[in-house]
Parts: sequence; C-alpha cells; structure tokens
Amino acid sequence: DTGVSQDPRHKITKRGQNVTFRCDPISEHNRLYWYRQTLGQGPEFLTYFQNEAQLEKSRLLSDRFSAERPKGSFSTLEIQRTEQGDSAMYLCASSPRPRTGRGIYNQPQHFGDGTRLSIL
Amino acid sequence: GQNIDQPTEMTATEGAIVQINCTYQTSGFNGLFWYQQHAGEAPTFLSYNVLDGLEEKGRFSSFLSRSKGYSYLLLKELQMKDSASYLCAVMDSNYQLIWGAGTKLIIKP
Repeated sequence: DTGVSQDPRHKITKRGQNVTFRCDPISEHNRLYWYRQTLGQGPEFLTYFQNEAQLEKSRLLSDRFSAERPKGSFSTLEIQRTEQGDSAMYLCASSPRPRTGRGIYNQPQHFGDGTRLSIL
Repeated sequence: GQNIDQPTEMTATEGAIVQINCTYQTSGFNGLFWYQQHAGEAPTFLSYNVLDGLEEKGRFSSFLSRSKGYSYLLLKELQMKDSASYLCAVMDSNYQLIWGAGTKLIIKP
C-alpha cells in the first residue's frame, strides 16, 4: 500500500506530557500538511511543508506545537506540555505539485488515517 | 474573514438523489474540493472544480458557480454506504484549503 501512513493510531497521555506523531507521505508527493480535527468540525490547518521547508504555520498554533520534515520525506509533529484542549484527531495529508498545462490543476490532498490523541 | 457554509445534517432515502450545498467567502479562489469522511476515518477525495459547471464522476457530480460563491455535490442512486460526512473545502489565494464543518448525510432504507 502506498498511501499516507500515520503512527500511532491512538495516543492516550496525561496532561503535561509531551507527545510526538509521525507521518509518512506518499513517496512522490513533495507537499505535506498537518491538520487537527474535532468532532463535528472540518480539519483545521496546522502547518505545511514543501519538501523539507516549512512554508506556513497557523497563527492559531501555540509555541507548544512544532513540526519537522528533516529530509523532505517523513514528518513529525510534537506537542509539548499537553493540555485537555489538545484532545483531537491529528491528520496528515500529502499532495504532489500542481499539474500545469491548460491552466493549473491543483492536486487533491490524500489523508492518512490520523492519530487520535486523548489527554487525561 | 474566510467562511465556508454547508448544512449540518441531511437525511435521504436509499435509491434517491440528494444535493448538498456549499457557499463560500474566501480570500482568493484556486479551486473547490469535496471529500467524503466516514465516522472515525480520514477524509477521502471525491471531486475538484476550478471552472464553472458540472463535473460528473459516476454516481457523484459536483457543480461550481464562482460568481455566486456556490457549489453543490449531487449523489444519485443512494446506497447505505453513502452515509458519511461530506466536506467542502476551498483553496484560497495562498493555496491553503479552507474547510467547511461538513454535512452529515444519513441514508434511510
């Protein structure tokens, strides 16, 4: 299977602990996104990488959140000093470059199954 | 601000047709995406519209009117497995996706 994979699928931890999630995108995709989703809401953008460069980070993201994509392949998302409000599904998505030709076709993002984080 | 509006919940009957509407106000427009999301699973891509008009893909069609800031997803010959949330997302001028909250579609036999 060559889809986006995320690890772990579930994480339960106590408030105040640090957690780290991993995402392996589809191999030929150079763009990687992290989102957070809570029940009944659409995904909320967290950050975006093009190859190894982190090009955008949500203003809503506190300094407790950090993401890396050191070699332009897999990525990690770390949350330090977790809080109750961090409980959510964390989704990773990847996409290839837009196709050009007759205009620009922006490629869809393909999502992993997510990591469900529960803070006790 | 940027805003995507879609109904919270809709109910339809197996075998029927349902239309899910989406209106948007965003800073710039680089296309509109529809995704399907089953409970507890990741969103999966359904369709992409960047020009006005209808895109048909099997039982699913998606329509876009850029002047009206409006799209709809049309599902025909509904099946029980179509029970899911349907998310509308617009790519803005920064090529970031702005997501609606999703429409929960309930299919009844």
